[in-house]
Amino acid sequence: GQQLNQSPQSMFIQEGEDVSMNCTSSSIFNTWLWYKQDPGEGPVLLIALYKAGELTSNGRLTAQFGITRKDSFLNISASIPSDVGIYFCAGLGSNYKLTFGKGTLLTVNP
Amino acid sequence: GAVVSQHPSRVICKSGTSVKIECRSLDFQATTMFWYRQFPKQSLMLMATSNEGSKATYEQGVEKDKFLINHASLTLSTLTVTSAHPEDSSFYICSASRTAANEKLFFGSGTQLSVL
Repeated sequence: GQQLNQSPQSMFIQEGEDVSMNCTSSSIFNTWLWYKQDPGEGPVLLIALYKAGELTSNGRLTAQFGITRKDSFLNISASIPSDVGIYFCAGLGSNYKLTFGKGTLLTVNP
Repeated sequence: GAVVSQHPSRVICKSGTSVKIECRSLDFQATTMFWYRQFPKQSLMLMATSNEGSKATYEQGVEKDKFLINHASLTLSTLTVTSAHPEDSSFYICSASRTAANEKLFFGSGTQLSVL
C-alpha cells in the first residue's frame, strides 16, 4: 500500500539537543498522527493533528500539520535519554485507514 | 488515554499449529479494530480491518483463510493465524478507534509470534 516519506531514517544526537523529523506525501490527509514505538511494544500516540496549519504541543514535543495537508513535522526539544525509540508519522485518509511512514530511529547519547 | 489490551505478548508455536491473538478495548467501545503486521526495523503494514458484527476487510495480498478475524463484540477482536509456518513469524499489532472516523487510533502492545 501507499507509504509516507519520512526522514531522516535515523538520528544520533547528544542529550539536550533538539530534534526535528518530517513526513511528506503525494496525497492529502485529513489527520496526521505521530507515534513513538519502543522495542517489543505497540506504538504510543504522541500528538494528533486535525486541521491544516495546526501547531500542537505536548510537553517537549511540537508537531505541525502542513498547510498543503501533504506534510507534517515533529520537533523534540531538549532531548533526554528516554526519548530513544522509533517515531512514526501516520496519515489518515478519506478511507479512514492509517498510512504509516517508515519511521525515524532516534538515539540519544547521554 | 484509551487503553487497548493485546494478549498474548509473546507466543512460540510449532509449525502447523494455529495461534489466536486477542485485542480488547478496555475503556471504550470500538466498532472498528485494525490488525497490523510489522517486520523487524520496518513500518506497520495494515493487514485487515475488523468490523463488529460483519466480515473483516482484508488488504490486498493478505490471505483471509490464513488470518481469520472475528470481531464478536464491541470490545473484542481476535486474529487467528491458522496452520502457522515460520514465514508467519512476525510482530502483530492491533489498534482500536473510539470513533467511526478513526481519527485517533490506540494500539495494543503487540504480539511477537515465533513459529518453529
